[in-house]
Order: sequence, then structure tokens, then C-alpha cells
Amino acid sequence: GQNIDQPTEMTATEGAIVQINCTYQTSGFNGLFWYQQHAGEAPTFLSYNVLDGLEEKGRFSSFLSRSKGYSYLLLKELQMKDSASYLCAVMDSNYQLIWGAGTKLIIKP
Amino acid sequence: IAGITQAPTSQILAAGRRMTLRCTQDMRHNAMYWYRQDLGLGLRLIHYSNTAGTTGKGEVPDGYSVSRANTDDFPLTLASAVPSQTSVYFCASSPRSGSTDTQYFGPGTRLTVL
Repeated sequence: GQNIDQPTEMTATEGAIVQINCTYQTSGFNGLFWYQQHAGEAPTFLSYNVLDGLEEKGRFSSFLSRSKGYSYLLLKELQMKDSASYLCAVMDSNYQLIWGAGTKLIIKP
Repeated sequence: IAGITQAPTSQILAAGRRMTLRCTQDMRHNAMYWYRQDLGLGLRLIHYSNTAGTTGKGEVPDGYSVSRANTDDFPLTLASAVPSQTSVYFCASSPRSGSTDTQYFGPGTRLTVL
């Protein structure tokens, strides 16, 4: 079966760094997406990885290891507005997204 | 402002009633999708459309139907609502089907079936 695992909830301090992990087992792989979703709002695109390695985009970075079926999203210099859920999704061999349940990130002052 | 709109924003519905959730995009995207989001679960694909005139079933299609008469609109219909269809429904679109294009989401419809 297809499975995406990520922690349910994480807590971090304003100004700090947090790493949100995602492991996956899917039928085929056409890349991994990270989305941010604030409470009561729509998911919004953060990053896409299809090759192994680190992609940096401002305060956010995303890493992929296809051999390990593993990705992480790294958030630096945390701000209160980063409090949200972070969704990991893998695009399978049919180009459909398989979604994890999301990680709720709580930022404390 | 370009994007995806959904209507209604929220709805309380009696079981057994018929309901259509509306979705419109003005980005001229070919592919459109309907997802439901439930607490503790990932987004699950209900139906999708690769281009106007075609539709396909996703992971959880039972009890739902869709149509794609034109590029912009992709309504989702619940023929006879049941309490298990209580959920938040998101419509999304992407420029091309069968590609790694990013999916863009509408604001969602919160549906409660009593």
C-alpha cells in the first residue's frame, strides 16, 4: 500500500530552527511536495523535490533522499506566523498526489 | 485576482438532501481536482478532471459525482448526503494533467451533514 508518515505535532520557539520529517512508501515516485496550511485556510505550495539533495528557498529548505524514502522541511529563524500545519505529499506513478496527515507546528514566544 | 473560488464557504445539510459544491478557476488550468480533508487524515482525492469533457475517479469517489462542461468550472455533487460526508472539501487545479505541475487550492467548503 501507499503510506506517508509525518509527526502529528511539533513545538518550537520563535527564532529557532525546526525540522519536520516525512517518510514515504508509494507506487512510483514523481517528486515530493511540501505545502503549508494555516488553520481554516487552503494549503499553499512551499517546495518540490524530485532529485536527491537540499533545495533552499529563503528561510525554508527541503531535503530529499529517494533511496531512503525520506524528506524533511527545515524552517529557520522561526516567526509566529509560521504556526501552521505542514503537509508532505508524494506524486505517484499516475501523477496523483498521496498526502500525509500533516504536522501541526506550534511556535512559542 | 486570478485563482480558484469555491461556494458555499460552509453549509449545514440534512441527511438525504442533494448538494452541489461549486468550484471555478480563472487560470485556464487544464487539470482540476476535488479533495476532502478530515481530522487526522491526509487530503484524499475524490474525483479529478484532466481536461474539459473528461473526469476520473480518485481514492474515495463513492457518493460523489462531478462534471466538467468547460475549462473553468468543476462542480461536485452529493446525490444523497450522509453524515460520513461531513468534511472540508477543497478544489484544486494545475496547469497540465499527467505532470509534476503544482496544484493550487481554493479556500474550501466546510460541509456538515446531520
